[in-house]
Amino acid sequence: ETGVTQTPRHLVMGMTNKKSLKCEQHLGHNAMYWYKQSAKKPLELMFVYSLEERVENNSVPSRFSPECPNSSHLFLHLHTLQPEDSALYLCASSQEGGGERDYEQYFGPGTRLTVT
Amino acid sequence: DAKTTQPPSMDCAEGRAANLPCNHSTISGNEYVYWYRQIHSQGPQYIIHGLKNNETNEMASLIITEDRKSSTLILPHATLRDTAVYYCIVLMDSSYKLIFGSGTRLLVRP
Repeated sequence: ETGVTQTPRHLVMGMTNKKSLKCEQHLGHNAMYWYKQSAKKPLELMFVYSLEERVENNSVPSRFSPECPNSSHLFLHLHTLQPEDSALYLCASSQEGGGERDYEQYFGPGTRLTVT
Repeated sequence: DAKTTQPPSMDCAEGRAANLPCNHSTISGNEYVYWYRQIHSQGPQYIIHGLKNNETNEMASLIITEDRKSSTLILPHATLRDTAVYYCIVLMDSSYKLIFGSGTRLLVRP
């Protein structure tokens, strides 16, 4: 148990559906991240939020829309996805301003997304 | 950020030490070496990090060469639960981006 929870753990959606992934951290951190891990590929950083402001958007298609309403919650809204978007989506959090410990990120268990 | 090179796979016997190497020959003076691991179907887990000196915590030891061009993560008494992909990452102290490579897949044999 890392203190970062993600729901749902598994999601199957059609290409015309709209769904949302939820992440919650119970660690008092002030930065949150979304990563994507496709089969047999390294983890890719998608979005970074620091103090609830988006500070990074790694050329992610607009069909992925993040939302960070407060420092404990992070959402990833999905719409009109493609089959190649099927992947494990991981959320992480960290405490920025902590010096070298900024990079001690705590990951949730991930949401396994399948787009049909 | 400096690039790292790791062997794609390694194995060791349960109870023995697992020594995982990482080359980072282009590392600069203010870049830290971080190690994470990812057990199958779970999110990555932070293990340890260091700058110049060797480091030890309850999970592992990190040995960094004097020229800082390479490092070794040591799991002193590997267990079956240590079977995972281990990532060596080099980061500047002003960057929050963890850039994950392919890592080393460690298999601990009974």
